[in-house]
Amino acid sequence: KNQVEQSPQSLIILEGKNCTLQCNYTVSPFSNLRWYKQDTGRGPVSLTIMTFSENTKSNGRYTATLDADTKQSSLHITASQLSDSASYICVVMVGPNAGKSTFGDGTTLTVKP
Amino acid sequence: DVKVTQSSRYLVKRTGEKVFLECVQDMDHENMFWYRQDPGLGLRLIYFSYDVKMKEKGDIPEGYSVSREKKERFSLILESASTNQTSMYLCASSFGWSSGINQPQHFGDGTRLSIL
Repeated sequence: KNQVEQSPQSLIILEGKNCTLQCNYTVSPFSNLRWYKQDTGRGPVSLTIMTFSENTKSNGRYTATLDADTKQSSLHITASQLSDSASYICVVMVGPNAGKSTFGDGTTLTVKP
Repeated sequence: DVKVTQSSRYLVKRTGEKVFLECVQDMDHENMFWYRQDPGLGLRLIYFSYDVKMKEKGDIPEGYSVSREKKERFSLILESASTNQTSMYLCASSFGWSSGINQPQHFGDGTRLSIL
């Protein structure tokens, strides 16, 4: 069964600190892995998309890594800001069909001043 | 910027009613999706459309139907609403297969539907 597991479920950090969110997946065949940010009351917004051959991809203070061998990905947030408070969702696309994606439950990040 | 607009942010309906949720995108995307989002269950795909009048069932299509008569509009229909369909409903769109599979999905801000 295709699964995406995210950890931790929730995280609280102080403004200015760094943090790393984890995503482990058991999905086959793998097409790509995406990270989304979802603010409270809003829809998810794409942060990064990585294919099998990409190890690292950055979007401003967000850096995603992918280890296709161990089927693990991480999202590193540098110098956190209050506006980083959100849910972060890991999604793995299965095969070439855009309608086939497996979503993680998300990590809720709270950044405190 | 891509805009995906869902017709209502909040909606309250009664059991047994037929409910229509509307979604419009302005980027000429081929693909459109309907998801529901429940705490602890993540996003689950209800239906997917890859072209006008074309649709595929997602993971949880029971109790729902969809309509795509125009490229920019994708409607979700609850045939006879039940309390277990109380949820957040999210619409998304993306470019189609001919643009490559590594296309981001663009989401609307959701409709929080309550069935009483």
